[in-house]
Amino acid sequence: EVQLVESGGGLVQPGGSLRLSCAAAGFTFSNYALNWVRQAPGKGLEYVSGISSDGGSTYYAKSVKGRFTISRDNSKNTLYLQMGSLRAEDMAVYYCARVQTSSYDYWGQGTLVTVSS
Amino acid sequence: DVVMTQSPLSLPVTLGQPASISCRSSQSLVHSDGDTYLTWFQQRPGQSPRRLIYKVSNWDSGVPDRFSGSGSGTDFTLKISRVEAEDVGVYYCMQGTHWPRTFGQGTKVEI
Repeated sequence: EVQLVESGGGLVQPGGSLRLSCAAAGFTFSNYALNWVRQAPGKGLEYVSGISSDGGSTYYAKSVKGRFTISRDNSKNTLYLQMGSLRAEDMAVYYCARVQTSSYDYWGQGTLVTVSS
Repeated sequence: DVVMTQSPLSLPVTLGQPASISCRSSQSLVHSDGDTYLTWFQQRPGQSPRRLIYKVSNWDSGVPDRFSGSGSGTDFTLKISRVEAEDVGVYYCMQGTHWPRTFGQGTKVEI
């Protein structure tokens, strides 16, 4: 069974940093690209960042480029999102999602990031 | 960025009756490889999104066949042939043809 389990969310002050993790199981991790997608409270879904299966290519939404860094450790079956210079508008549930056919076939349960002083 | 526009944003439905959601893109979603990467997701209250349909009309495993997707180019539709109580939630379309990936605003389906 495919499982994606996010962790690392929490309360952070504006301007602060946070690192999210997504632990994967139930599939060959190194064969799949992965993305981060977020959802602000009561709002819709927004693409944040993506990484290729070997980690060699990364992609970012304009809203986070230069502040967030996506990475992966294929030996640990884990995806990361290092977030810096956090703003109020970054507050959201962050999901990791497995990429399949230019779409997302599995999603994690999400981790909540709250940006507030 | 490609803008995905869904309508309606709120859809009151009657159990056992059909329902339909429209999704329009600001650019053609036909990829250079010939495929059209339009996906439909369902998000039930308090849950993560779940993929229902990919590449316009392909069902994911376990998705009831009362859900169907259709369309081409810039105009797409998700249809529910007979709404059931478990179909309550928000439905999103997403394009996977252009970067960055973009989603529609969501359509809230309620009984």
